[in-house]
Amino acid sequence: SAVISQKPSRDICQRGTSLTIQCQVDSQVTMMFWYRQQPGQSLTLIATANQGSEATYESGFVIDKFPISRPNLTFSTLTVSNMSPEDSSIYLCSVVVAGPNQPQHFGDGTRLSIL
Amino acid sequence: AQTVTQSQPEMSVQEAETVTLSCTYDTSESDYYLFWYKQPPSRQMILVIRQEAYKQQNATENRFSVNFQKAAKSFSLKISDSQLGDAAMYFCAYRSPTGNQFYFGTGTSLTVIP
Repeated sequence: SAVISQKPSRDICQRGTSLTIQCQVDSQVTMMFWYRQQPGQSLTLIATANQGSEATYESGFVIDKFPISRPNLTFSTLTVSNMSPEDSSIYLCSVVVAGPNQPQHFGDGTRLSIL
Repeated sequence: AQTVTQSQPEMSVQEAETVTLSCTYDTSESDYYLFWYKQPPSRQMILVIRQEAYKQQNATENRFSVNFQKAAKSFSLKISDSQLGDAAMYFCAYRSPTGNQFYFGTGTSLTVIP
């Protein structure tokens, strides 16, 4: 298991600004993911955060809009850039500890509203 | 790519009764891992139960159990003696052992009626 601290828990931002979300884990993990989730909906994978290299983005998500850093095995950030109302959503960090049969563990999420 | 289907967008159950949530998946792999997650309103997504495909025995965790039918590619979740705290979105997930991908279903919203 892993304990995940995700900050901020919520924010209200102005159109055109950027916000950085932090994800801190209490132990080293092999994989870290960033998801977006509309309330009552399923998860949409944004990218896999790779330690020491560029993140792997899913179709429809680009680095210029969602830059991701992962400087070590316990920490990652997701930036939502040049925000518009369409970016209003819940953003989730998740991690996987070592082992092929391990599940994902999720942070509490960041509820983001864009005015 | 693997797909995970939850055909019940919403379910309801009377308190203390039993409910079964359905999940089917599509894969050509013989070995994989399946999970059920619970996400209460405005709260963290947490793991409920897991099943390894190579195990024939169905997993159980207290009031939660699964009915894993590998040939049918079905992985349903049974909640016994339902409690008000069981009200949540439930997501079924598939993990391939060969890659880093997890595939999530669209979720089932469970309401528990007092």
